[in-house]
Formats: sequence, C-alpha cells, structure tokens
Amino acid sequence: QVQLVESGGGVVQPGRSLRLSCAASGFTFSTYGMHWVRQAPGKGLEWVAIISYDGSNKYYADSVKGRFTISRDNSKNTLYLGVNSLRAEDTAVYYCARELLVGPNYYFDYWGQGTLVTVSS
Amino acid sequence: QSVLTQPPSVSGAPGQRVSISCTGSSSNIGAGYDVHWYQQLPGRAPKLLIYGNRYRPSGVPDRISGSKSGTSASLAITGLQAEDEAGYYCQSYDNSLSGVIFGGGTKLTVL
Repeated sequence: QVQLVESGGGVVQPGRSLRLSCAASGFTFSTYGMHWVRQAPGKGLEWVAIISYDGSNKYYADSVKGRFTISRDNSKNTLYLGVNSLRAEDTAVYYCARELLVGPNYYFDYWGQGTLVTVSS
Repeated sequence: QSVLTQPPSVSGAPGQRVSISCTGSSSNIGAGYDVHWYQQLPGRAPKLLIYGNRYRPSGVPDRISGSKSGTSASLAITGLQAEDEAGYYCQSYDNSLSGVIFGGGTKLTVL
C-alpha cells in the first residue's frame, strides 16, 4: 500500500534552516510528481512546492520562493524540502502529497501524516 | 485571503443534506480547471474525496457528490452522519498564479 512518511520537523529559531524528508513506499516513486503542502495551526491548506517525477522541474508558492528548495532522490524513494531563513509565519504542519496529473489538472491522491515545524525564539 | 472562497462553516442534522460552495474566478475554475475536494478529520491528514469535479475515488460513498458550473463548484453530502463532521477543502489550479490553490476550508458540524 502507498505510504508517505514525513520527518525532520521540530522547533527552530527564526532565521535558521531545516530539511524535511518524505519517505515513500508502495509505489514507483520515480514516476510521480510530488508536492509539499502546509497548514498553519488552526488554518487552511497552503500549497508550497512541486517537483516533477525526474526532478527537472520545480515550482514554488510566492510566499516561499527563494527561501525553500524542493528536491528528490529517486534512488532512495525520498522527497525533501529545504527550508531556510525561517519566519514565525512558516510555523505549520508540512505534508508531502503524491500528485495525479490529468491534462492540466493536478490533484493529490495520497498524503503523509505531516511533520510540525515551529519557528520560535 | 484564499483565492477560492468557501463558507467557514455549515451544519446539518443526521440524515439531512448539506452543500458546500467553492467560488473562484476566470483564472482558475472559470478557465476550465477541475475542482477537487478533500476531507480532513480532526488531527488527521487530508483525504481525497472528489476529483475531476465529480468523480469519487474507490471507497468514498455515493452519498457524496461534486459538481461544477461556471466559476463555482459544490460538494454535496446527503444522509449526513456523525462521521462526516470534519473540515472540507476545495482545490484547483490558477493560471495567473501558476500554482495549485486551495479554498479556505469549511467546517461541517453534524448537530
């Protein structure tokens, strides 16, 4: 069965960095685009970034562009999110999600359980 | 402020029908992009409920349905059950933002 397991969250001071991981299993990871989506405490879902199946294309939300870096290692079936220059407003649960693409339409058929990043001094 | 607008809350008694709206614009839903819906139980990850405006993944009961018209979409739940109490989010794509967009979410309360 498809499983996505995030890790790497924690409490970090403003301005510092963190790397989140998402270990995938139960499907052929190297054939799927992958996304990061975050949810601030008590708030809605916010799309963060996408990476294509082979890592050649990456896109980011304006709110994280220049500070976050999405990457993947298909040999390890793992997705990453490098988060730099962290701000209080980056505090959120970060989910990885598997993409299904039908024409120009993206949606997410599997999600991980999430990892909490808390930015606080 | 989310690009897709949903009511913050809706409620209904067991057995009743509720509907949740998702209103967009000419750069997303109105441009022909599909709308997808997710259910999020308290403390859990989102789960895909409807994709491609009206299709249900395997395991989602047929009392849950989706529709789309113009710049809006709707999620309907009939025969409301206590287990339906959750947050519901619509999702689409916006070509002016060049990214995935979500609605602000709707909290469904079963009275």
